[in-house]
Amino acid sequence: LAKTTQPISMDSYEGQEVNITCSHNNIATNDYITWYQQFPSQGPRFIIQGYKTKVKNEVASLFIPADRKSSTLSLPRVSLSDTAVYYCLVENNNNDMRFGAGTRLTVKP
Amino acid sequence: NAGVTQTPKFRILKIGQSMTLQCTQDMNHNYMYWYRQDPGMGLKLIYYSVGAGITDKGEVPNGYNVSRSTTEDFPLRLELAAPSQTSVYFCASSLAGEGDTQYFGPGTRLTVL
Repeated sequence: LAKTTQPISMDSYEGQEVNITCSHNNIATNDYITWYQQFPSQGPRFIIQGYKTKVKNEVASLFIPADRKSSTLSLPRVSLSDTAVYYCLVENNNNDMRFGAGTRLTVKP
Repeated sequence: NAGVTQTPKFRILKIGQSMTLQCTQDMNHNYMYWYRQDPGMGLKLIYYSVGAGITDKGEVPNGYNVSRSTTEDFPLRLELAAPSQTSVYFCASSLAGEGDTQYFGPGTRLTVL
């Protein structure tokens, strides 16, 4: 299963767009890409999932280039409450899964 | 719906002791998972289950055991606690595998001294 690599931390300011990229160079054709958000002392919470191209929901967008060797989580107009750790997950239909080490996003006023 | 619940929230064990971490979900999900999360690290899969009576190993199963006698419950057993098992343990469930959304419990913080 593909190893996932994310930046350790990122800083942003309220109202800005934040892009967090996850590298998964050896991703297989049947692997899914999912992003989770985690606040302190809580379990991770689903944000968005994709397989290829672009996916968008009410809170985020996910961009996956054609080679699928990376994926970018985009958070539009972040607020202080978006301060959290964000994890990318690569998984396949054989229940093999690999979480990244997480990106700690700090949103400043 | 309570979602996924875990007990206890915190526990301190001595080396060699045993304990069971409880996990219950009320969403009638088929799949259940146990993860451990070490400081500054992502989650690593310990065991998973695709339905009652069926369990399988994940990435880091050594030192743990599981059972799945009902759809709702998926307990994790530590038989001989070791300091290396100090971690935060998360249980999760999903309706189906294959990339389906996982719903996580609040976690159990375990310290082995």
